[in-house]
Amino acid sequence: DVVLTQTPSTLSATIGQSVSISCRSSQSLLDSAGNTYLYWYLQRPGQSPQLLIYLVSNLGSGVPNRFSGSGSGTDFTLKISGVEAEDLGVYYCMQATHAPWTFGGGTKLELK
Amino acid sequence: QVKLQQSGAELVKPGASVKLSCKTSGYTFSTSYMSWFKQIPGQSIEWIGMIYAGDGGTGYNQKFKGKATLTVDTSSSTAYMDLSSLTTEDSAVYFCARPGWDWYFDFWGPGTMVTVSS
Repeated sequence: DVVLTQTPSTLSATIGQSVSISCRSSQSLLDSAGNTYLYWYLQRPGQSPQLLIYLVSNLGSGVPNRFSGSGSGTDFTLKISGVEAEDLGVYYCMQATHAPWTFGGGTKLELK
Repeated sequence: QVKLQQSGAELVKPGASVKLSCKTSGYTFSTSYMSWFKQIPGQSIEWIGMIYAGDGGTGYNQKFKGKATLTVDTSSSTAYMDLSSLTTEDSAVYFCARPGWDWYFDFWGPGTMVTVSS
């Protein structure tokens, strides 16, 4: 199975600070058709995950543009340009290039 | 609007089975896929498998073969997941989620907590 390693596991930030989360894959997530099925989700406490980014860098519907995704192959990054209070929770990367689909271990974003 | 409503929390004994439901509305269920996920509180998320409502075709994470069985009832736009031979390791929150065109999950159910205890 593809292992997704997220760093850091915990991130302390102040409101307005810009932060980045890394997601490294044990295998390339580029498929033979040239697609990279890498996504980012936010799970707020007690809630279901919500989609932030799909196909590496595309913003989900209704997601604020302070979120951005980048990367290729095995290295991917989620950036939040100016953390807001509503951004607190656990961030997960997920891949759907290789079966079974797998998630990273999560990065908890908390207020400093 | 798209909604996924999941059945309520379950307390079941070891060795028993349980059937979870995910009732949908707001989109054409019969030509859509549905996936299920497992999350032990405080831990990451695992993909269990997916079912296509059009023909009932399924794909499973090998880890959950024999544990989970996915079915659908298109007449009620409801997806089901049977979990069998339950152990304490099956205690978790189970989510259903609908995939979009590029396999992103844009709509999720609220989750069903399953507790396996004698």
